[in-house]
Amino acid sequence: QSALTQPPSASGSPGQSVTISCTGTSSDVGGYNYVSWYQHHPGKAPKLMIYEVSQRPSGVPDRFSGSKSGNTASLTVSGLQAEDEADYYCSSYAGSSSVGVFGTGTKVTVL
Amino acid sequence: EVQLVESGGSLVQPGGSLRLSCAGSGFTFSGDGMSWVRQAPGKGLEWVSVISSGGDRTYYADSVKGRFTISRDNSKSSLYLQMNSLRAEDTAVYYCAKGGRYHGLGVWGQGTTLTVSS
Repeated sequence: QSALTQPPSASGSPGQSVTISCTGTSSDVGGYNYVSWYQHHPGKAPKLMIYEVSQRPSGVPDRFSGSKSGNTASLTVSGLQAEDEADYYCSSYAGSSSVGVFGTGTKVTVL
Repeated sequence: EVQLVESGGSLVQPGGSLRLSCAGSGFTFSGDGMSWVRQAPGKGLEWVSVISSGGDRTYYADSVKGRFTISRDNSKSSLYLQMNSLRAEDTAVYYCAKGGRYHGLGVWGQGTTLTVSS
């Protein structure tokens, strides 16, 4: 149950795009299409932004998109806005006997 | 409004026990898997435990296996986490979340804080 690997930080100016990677193994990210992404503003409850690799829950702006290639999933935030500044975590199903695994987290800064 | 409210966080001595509770409202509680996720100070999110909608299947992180027990009472729309043999490294904000391992955790509570210290 090792954490998925994310870059510690990412940044962009308002209006630009930022892409966050989430690297696992064939036992988690690469083996299943059950990758989710969460936005977490410190002190608040995390919010689901993407599920099943690329699906957006109702109410999540289409500026947020997800994809996967091999053992690496990605979250892209287009048209960056000030309120997008937050910590972002990926998670993945990791097999029938596992609880599931989160990524190490990425702090997104809007310059 | 779909809502989850955690309670039970406290200051506990190492080796002690505590039970966290989570009350759900605004949705059919018995229809979804439920999870506990924690965040230690300055650290990332850690998936602690998951329970199926009917309560018959449970899963645990290696770090808590054998010490924590997840359970639910669908008649009370409530989720629980019994924590025994607590360690300093269990200190964290504990979140209750609606959802299991597949389709994302769609609703989260505000969290309850456990501090394990002498």
